[in-house]
Amino acid sequence: GQQVQQSPASLVLQEGENAELQCNFSSTATQLQWFYQSPGGSLVSLLSNPSGTKHTGRLTSTTVTKERRSSLHISSSQTTDSGTYLCAIDRWGSALGRLHFGAGTQLIVIP
Amino acid sequence: EAAVTQSPRNKVAVTGGKVTLSCNQTNNHNNMYWYRQDTGHGLRLIHYSYGAGSTEKGDIPDGYKASRPSQENFSLILELATPSQTSVYFCASATNTEVFFGKGTRLTVV
Repeated sequence: GQQVQQSPASLVLQEGENAELQCNFSSTATQLQWFYQSPGGSLVSLLSNPSGTKHTGRLTSTTVTKERRSSLHISSSQTTDSGTYLCAIDRWGSALGRLHFGAGTQLIVIP
Repeated sequence: EAAVTQSPRNKVAVTGGKVTLSCNQTNNHNNMYWYRQDTGHGLRLIHYSYGAGSTEKGDIPDGYKASRPSQENFSLILELATPSQTSVYFCASATNTEVFFGKGTRLTVV
């Protein structure tokens, strides 16, 4: 079965609203990463958060390792936040690249 | 600035033909990866490498080979391309704390 499940599959917001994205995973994770994929397809890492709460700019990620879930909160959304947000786990604890990805949440922010 | 460059960015291949996708990184990372992305599946790991001369199978290696001739270069080879290999392919390089992806190669097998 799928090791990483994300919800919702898609989300439409008015600019200025907040977004809450969820990630549940079925295996022990040594690393958990959130990525942003632009409408053009490029992938960039947003946050690495295997446990606890981390903030960067308008993004807050909270990971509860025991419950195998993570969330990404985007505050005061902007149209430029539109794209796909991917959650990924690394089970091996070596380099960060051996990742299992979820299918993503597509976020659309309308002005 | 860390960079992973893929070529070509777009490719149309015929069924049964040989396809080579190339990836170059200037990050001096030991570890490199090839993923494919299909609608509804996220990214799935095909092959990876720990350094020059090494290749390892990922989660979906069937139908693909990989080659790592140098620290900088990592290729994905489809010896006999099939329409089911139509996808977007991403290369990445990584350390323990960071991962960088290329912009992707859109491959269509007709």
